[in-house]
Amino acid sequence: GAVVSQHPSRVICKSGTSVKIECRSLDFQATTMFWYRQFPKQSLMLMATSNEGSKATYEQGVEKDKFLINHASLTLSTLTVTSAHPEDSSFYICSDPCSREGYYEQYFGPGTRLTVT
Amino acid sequence: QKEVEQNSGPLSVPEGAIASLNCTYSDRGSQSFFWYRQYSGKSPELIMFIYSNGDKEDGRFTAQLNKASQYVSLLIRDSQPSDSATYLCAVTGPGGADGLTFGKGTHLIIQP
Repeated sequence: GAVVSQHPSRVICKSGTSVKIECRSLDFQATTMFWYRQFPKQSLMLMATSNEGSKATYEQGVEKDKFLINHASLTLSTLTVTSAHPEDSSFYICSDPCSREGYYEQYFGPGTRLTVT
Repeated sequence: QKEVEQNSGPLSVPEGAIASLNCTYSDRGSQSFFWYRQYSGKSPELIMFIYSNGDKEDGRFTAQLNKASQYVSLLIRDSQPSDSATYLCAVTGPGGADGLTFGKGTHLIIQP
């Protein structure tokens, strides 16, 4: 399966600052990547679809001006949480859909745990 | 709005027994179905995926799909304490390459 890396693995920041999270596909050239977040004791929720060379597609309820996504190359997508607040504290995980036999499998990166104080 | 339902558990199974995890989904157009295992504090790990009705086996794991009943299951044979984790069921839409909709997960405990 695809190998996906994320950086940083953990970040603590003060309220009002911006945080950038990187997601890299190490095995495949990913034209599409997905960003999810997981609040404590909850399941993963899709935030947005990151498209190489074009604008990201955001899920309902996710503020595009707050969660800036850039997918400038086939192997790198970045998520910037702007003016972070404590309620943005969450586990952010990206995935790389890998095509196999006409279907897509999704492999997740190791995740970035964001704590906003 | 797509929904994926799972029993949150905890589901407690003796070591060596079969663990049976169930999932139902609301969107009849869903094309691909996944089971992920997630240990506390870690990212989900892909265990099984299934696209066609019937059974799919991989080692100790068997995924079962019944599209008519909108039902997916995962069987874990010869359960080991290391199988203790939260198991997440996820589905994609008709496009297949869509983002995933997850269930809330079932917490599985394998008792030594």
